[in-house]
Amino acid sequence: GENVEQHPSTLSVQEGDSAVIKCTYSDSASNYFPWYKQELGKRPQLIIDIRSNVGEKKDQRIAVTLNKTAKHFSLHITETQPEDSAVYFCAASRWDSNYQLIWGAGTKLIIKP
Amino acid sequence: EAQVTQNPRYLITVTGKKLTVTCSQNMNHEYMSWYRQDPGLGLRQIYYSMNVEVTDKGDVPEGYKVSRKEKRNFPLILESPSPNQTSLYFCASSSGQIAYEQYFGPGTRLTVT
Repeated sequence: GENVEQHPSTLSVQEGDSAVIKCTYSDSASNYFPWYKQELGKRPQLIIDIRSNVGEKKDQRIAVTLNKTAKHFSLHITETQPEDSAVYFCAASRWDSNYQLIWGAGTKLIIKP
Repeated sequence: EAQVTQNPRYLITVTGKKLTVTCSQNMNHEYMSWYRQDPGLGLRQIYYSMNVEVTDKGDVPEGYKVSRKEKRNFPLILESPSPNQTSLYFCASSSGQIAYEQYFGPGTRLTVT
């Protein structure tokens, strides 16, 4: 079955710098890759997602890139701000997986003032 | 307001005492799911449901039961809770297929002593 590995487990960056979180997946048939943000004490919320027919997607300061050959996808946050501090989860799914998302273990992002 | 609700939000119980955590959504979503979240392990799916009377096991179903008698409700049942089921539980719903955004409930913090 699918396995998703997420790195790093903790990332500390200076406010204003960029942050990159990487996930690798094992099932080459996976075709949907969402990223969720979970602030402390809150529920996870979708921030961006990408399907396998595109290589990059942007939404203001966040972007996701997908490398299908290497089976990895990354979340990029530019010009980080204090409100970006949270735990970020990646996930992967395939169209015939009976509605199962396989999740990474999460990355705690710390923005230093 | 479109939302997913869970009750109770916090629960402390003893080993072996049956309990039910309720989940309800008002978005007419077909797909609902239960996750548990433990430090360092991310989100692990317990059970999911693709529609009324259609449920299936996720990655960690042992010790849990679910039912989907109505489209809006998806209760999680622990018939004989054990300490290793101490965790943060999230219910989620989405409009149909897994590639759509999942809306999470606020979470239920369960402690089994």
